[in-house]
Amino acid sequence: EAQVTQNPRYLITVTGKKLTVTCSQNMNHEYMSWYRQDPGLGLRQIYYSMNVEVTDKGDVPEGYKVSRKEKRNFPLILESPSPNQTSLYFCASWGALHTGELFFGEGSRLTVL
Amino acid sequence: DQQVKQNSPSLSVQEGRISILNCDYTNSMFDYFLWYKKYPAEGPTFLISISSIKDKNEDGRFTVFLNKSAKHLSLHIVPSQPGDSAVYFCAASIYGQNFVFGPGTRLSVLP
Repeated sequence: EAQVTQNPRYLITVTGKKLTVTCSQNMNHEYMSWYRQDPGLGLRQIYYSMNVEVTDKGDVPEGYKVSRKEKRNFPLILESPSPNQTSLYFCASWGALHTGELFFGEGSRLTVL
Repeated sequence: DQQVKQNSPSLSVQEGRISILNCDYTNSMFDYFLWYKKYPAEGPTFLISISSIKDKNEDGRFTVFLNKSAKHLSLHIVPSQPGDSAVYFCAASIYGQNFVFGPGTRLSVLP
């Protein structure tokens, strides 16, 4: 089954404790992206990757890092989480430019105390 | 400043009637537009898309209309069903490289 898998689905952590949200896709997609969803703001892009070892900032990259060492994986790293990073996070992948349809994971709800 | 706007946070429609969800954008470079549906506790799922070279695309009960001169698109659902109740996101991209989403519209279809 074609899917994007995120882990963990739910996490409560404290300010400053480094965490990683993993994302893996099994569709051999070249492109992957991270979004955060906040009330009234919709989905805002954090980082995206057009290929292995190629990443770029989205609209709200502050406080986040990503890496793309393998095609299938695109982890999101919060080096020093803060309460304003409490949000619902979605990983997405897509395989074709110009007619790209994004496939989303089920989401990771992160709470930073 | 949001490049993709959905000015109606919510919409309620009677079952069997038409639902019309609207979306406006500001960047004239956008050349591909998509609609996504999201249920609670799930990731968004693709619904329908349209290229900027077209003004209409239809898929079953769902039709998307694009008015480039007005930088406006709309999603029509006919007839609306209770299972259509969800949050709908409009998205736009330039050559599929970067997708910008609107804030979403919550549709409630009443039985």
